[in-house]
Amino acid sequence: GQNIDQPTEMTATEGAIVQINCTYQTSGFNGLFWYQQHAGEAPTFLSYNVLDGLEEKGRFSSFLSRSKGYSYLLLKELQMKDSASYLCAYMDSNYQLIWGAGTKLIIKP
Amino acid sequence: GAVVSQHPSWVICKSGTSVKIECRSLDFQATTMFWYRQFPKQSLMLMATSNEGSKATYEQGVEKDKFLINHASLTLSTLTVTSAHPEDSSFYICSARDILGGEQETQYFGPGTRLLVL
Repeated sequence: GQNIDQPTEMTATEGAIVQINCTYQTSGFNGLFWYQQHAGEAPTFLSYNVLDGLEEKGRFSSFLSRSKGYSYLLLKELQMKDSASYLCAYMDSNYQLIWGAGTKLIIKP
Repeated sequence: GAVVSQHPSWVICKSGTSVKIECRSLDFQATTMFWYRQFPKQSLMLMATSNEGSKATYEQGVEKDKFLINHASLTLSTLTVTSAHPEDSSFYICSARDILGGEQETQYFGPGTRLLVL
């Protein structure tokens, strides 16, 4: 395995808040990325965390705890267009990306 | 889970040389593989879609004669950067779609190849 894990699928309601978790295990760490990918499109960059804490960017926030090997992506005020797959990936000591399998987020009206 | 590997991880080359990057699906078969390039903290830019046994489909603005793609088997696609120049320096990432993926658009991403052209 690639030592990175995220839920396969999540469902949330329009207007609500959803948190997508990502856990990883690695001896070398150079940051954690979150990407959004709509079906048939290339992944788009959402966030990059290399230090512990919460980074807020509009409706999206990303949190990192390096000691726990844990990150989450928080989406607020969900919109139907937020229905997509969300990929987390950490960069290892060789500056290579180790990808999670992605979380498919389904937004219901 | 499905694993995609890339080789080499890093490559440094002189301007004018050609560089070949391999993308392999290790435990599944992929009729379709995708090649992306990424600049720091930016979104992945799709360069081309590689289909096993047929010609690759290139995105607008990507020179097919410069970025040669070969998808000779269900587990291997190669990207050759011909006559590389410093502006080709980037992080190249491939992904593969499982032949058994059905309707779900599930791509598995490789770890990337860093290319530095001097």
